[in-house]
Amino acid sequence: GEDVEQSLFLSVREGDSSVINCTYTDSSSTYLYWYKQEPGAGLQLLTYIFSNMDMKQDQRLTVLLNKKDKHLSLRIADTQTGDSAIYFCAESIAGQKVTFGIGTKLQVIP
Amino acid sequence: GAGVSQSPSNKVTEKGKDVELRCDPISGHTALYWYRQSLGQGLEFLIYFQGNSAPDKSGLPSDRFSAERTGGSVSTLTIQRTQQEDSAVYLCATSGAYEQYFGPGTRLTVT
Repeated sequence: GEDVEQSLFLSVREGDSSVINCTYTDSSSTYLYWYKQEPGAGLQLLTYIFSNMDMKQDQRLTVLLNKKDKHLSLRIADTQTGDSAIYFCAESIAGQKVTFGIGTKLQVIP
Repeated sequence: GAGVSQSPSNKVTEKGKDVELRCDPISGHTALYWYRQSLGQGLEFLIYFQGNSAPDKSGLPSDRFSAERTGGSVSTLTIQRTQQEDSAVYLCATSGAYEQYFGPGTRLTVT
């Protein structure tokens, strides 16, 4: 079955770049997502990428997709304390169940 | 516009009692998911409804857990004979084309 794996914890200093990594097993995945969950809040879609893309950039966020290795990463440039949250990687095939990773807790040290 | 709503927002129950959690999806969203998130933990998939297809119940942790979705809209998650380890935030999410929209969750505390 589908599986999405990501590391549990990442700590960075304010101003540095953060890179959160994710691997998935389903080569048929069509959509790959990053969700953000701030403390005490629900999950919100941060960004997504279609499987026919290699990279997507949105302001401080860069998503890189390596389909050959089934590896997805999220880079946050100039990380701020407000970026402290849990980041969830997810994948789906169009119209089918979305599978989430366990979440990576990002701690930003002032 | 209206998002996914869940009720109650908080529920405290005694061990052994049954509880029902409700999810009102975004109108027109055919897919509905239930997840569980224990304190400081990741998402645990419970059940997935897609249109009129048979639900994917592969994530339900025991036969004390069940869920229904009436008329392709409102869903209820029922936990029978609650145990302390059932304490968690229960999240509902619905999706249309590709993005999932999450409700605020129901925080369940079993005493």
